[in-house]
Amino acid sequence: DAGITQSPRHKVTETGTPVTLRCHQTENHRYMYWYRQDPGHGLRLIHYSYGVKDTDKGEVSDGYSVSRSKTEDFLLTLESATSSQTSVYFCAISEGQGDYNEQFFGPGTRLTVL
Amino acid sequence: GQNIDQPTEMTATEGAIVQINCTYQTSGFNGLFWYQQHAGEAPTFLSYNVLDGLEEKGRFSSFLSRSKGYSYLLLKELQMKDSASYLCASMDSNYQLIWGAGTKLIIKP
Repeated sequence: DAGITQSPRHKVTETGTPVTLRCHQTENHRYMYWYRQDPGHGLRLIHYSYGVKDTDKGEVSDGYSVSRSKTEDFLLTLESATSSQTSVYFCAISEGQGDYNEQFFGPGTRLTVL
Repeated sequence: GQNIDQPTEMTATEGAIVQINCTYQTSGFNGLFWYQQHAGEAPTFLSYNVLDGLEEKGRFSSFLSRSKGYSYLLLKELQMKDSASYLCASMDSNYQLIWGAGTKLIIKP
């Protein structure tokens, strides 16, 4: 199994508070991704990174920011959490993109915004 | 727009065969992925197809028809542990994965 951890695994917070989720990998993979998963929806890409300090927006990036200061860490920040951001958040990594470069997923963080 | 369609739920019997279909429409195409996700867990990679045809991997096989925008995942000799959601994802021209909502497979004894 790919070495990916996420912290915290569960979090309950209140509307308007900032929240940071951490993804840590030990695989030295170049690409890292943040997804959210909601009932009735497929996984939706929030942001991704293709190297240290290199990030780009995904499909549902509004209200989220990311940072990657080291190869192994990718942080997702909700600047001011809203109830619509209640979700399960998955981090994923891949060595490259395209042919046969599957993504490996972390265990997920369940976030509840009250 | 980009769209992935797969059935919401399917039921099958232990020991039987089940086929889970997926149709896709994405901006460009760089391959089709299938993942398995048990309840409360992370998705895990099952297969990748980029050329037309059938790829067999043990009890699981995956088929792709690029001209029809269609794929299926075939599971043989079903076991109770195969009860899970199966996620179809198409990789678009920007190498981003566009995901279907998943097919929940229920296995009955």
